[in-house]
Amino acid sequence: DAGVTQTPRHEVAEKGQTIILKCEPVSGHNDLFWYRQTKIQGLELLSYFRSKSLMEDGGAFKDRFKAEMLNSSFSTLKIQPTEPKDSAVYLCASSLGWGSETLYFGSGTRLTVL
Amino acid sequence: QQQVRQSPQSLTVWEGETAILNCSYENSAFDYFPWYQQFPGEGPALLISILSVSNKKEDGRFTIFFNKREKKLSLHIADSQPGDSATYFCAASWGSNAKLTFGKGTKLSVKS
Repeated sequence: DAGVTQTPRHEVAEKGQTIILKCEPVSGHNDLFWYRQTKIQGLELLSYFRSKSLMEDGGAFKDRFKAEMLNSSFSTLKIQPTEPKDSAVYLCASSLGWGSETLYFGSGTRLTVL
Repeated sequence: QQQVRQSPQSLTVWEGETAILNCSYENSAFDYFPWYQQFPGEGPALLISILSVSNKKEDGRFTIFFNKREKKLSLHIADSQPGDSATYFCAASWGSNAKLTFGKGTKLSVKS
């Protein structure tokens, strides 16, 4: 079985640009998560989908961050407009769902905003 | 507010020693506590987990000790190896809620 696939691995953007990060979850998984990882804040939840329905959109990240699940096997995270403080690693994870389930993470997209 | 706290931020041990990583939490409703291991350039991966009905869970060289009354747990890595050098995240969730709350991690270095 393929794991979680994230593309691109690295992204460099100018301040004010729109960027779209992509994620393919493990086949058959019902839950999909987007996290932002920084050294200072650690892992912060951006969005959480269950069976393609948005369950949580990460509160403070609502303004410029928008995650979508176009179908059960593909999700995108759009950041618009980007700011230098958005520089971080963005991780996508999926699980079967229903609690106490293992989260399978992708390798992440490292975003640098100049 | 930080619901899951980890200490220390970084830890260095010699090969063969036991590394002890600590975690505490605030929400009494948390009942599932996984530990994730992350190597540079990779996403975190599940290492070992425990449910709140247990006070100890072992898997090879890795052991979780859980104290529900004090809302604390620890990960012990026996006979530490250089390949164990990674960042370890303690996390928590409750019931059927799939959302995990993560601590900020402990960076472990094992010197040979």
